[in-house]
Amino acid sequence: DVQMTQSPSNLAASPGESVSINCKASKSISKYLAWYQQKPGKANKLLIYSGSTLQSGTPSRFSGSGSGTDFTLTIRNLEPEDFGLYYCQQHNEYPPTFGGGTKLELK
Amino acid sequence: EVQLVESGGVLVQPGRSMKLSCAASGFTFSSFPMAWVRQAPTKGLEWVATISTSGGSTYYRDSVKGRFTISRDNAKSTLYLQMDSLRSEDTATYYCTIYNNYRWFAYWGQGTLVTVSS
Repeated sequence: DVQMTQSPSNLAASPGESVSINCKASKSISKYLAWYQQKPGKANKLLIYSGSTLQSGTPSRFSGSGSGTDFTLTIRNLEPEDFGLYYCQQHNEYPPTFGGGTKLELK
Repeated sequence: EVQLVESGGVLVQPGRSMKLSCAASGFTFSSFPMAWVRQAPTKGLEWVATISTSGGSTYYRDSVKGRFTISRDNAKSTLYLQMDSLRSEDTATYYCTIYNNYRWFAYWGQGTLVTVSS
């Protein structure tokens, strides 16, 4: 199985700032990486797929980049609703596998 | 609006069985592959099983093969997960998801908690 490693595990920031979350695959997954947001009491939300394609409804302050084994989720001009957990997931091959998560907290 | 509502999660003893359900609405259920993803307490997400639109093809993670069965009733717009021979390591919140053929999870329910403990 492809192992996915996210960093950092925790991240503190203030509204208006920009942050980046990294995801590394144990082997090349081409461009096939998805990002999800998880918040308490809400359904998980797909933000980005195929590395950089925004899911319908994802605000443009979110962007994804990378290919091969190294990927980045960048959130510019943080809004209060952006704080929560973020997960990456490779969708290049079976079984689909997730990173361990990054908790984005209010500084 | 897409809605996925899971039910059936309870406290169960090791070795026993349980069946989860997911009621779908707001989209043409029969047109989409579906999947279950789980999350153990304070842990990350883990894919469990996937089913094709007709139900004719199913896929499972190794640790649940032979114990879990994913199925669907397109007439009732409902997804199921039959879990047998449950183990403590199956304790998790189980999420119903719409699964894209390109292997990402497009929409999620809010989950149902399964606790396996004596």
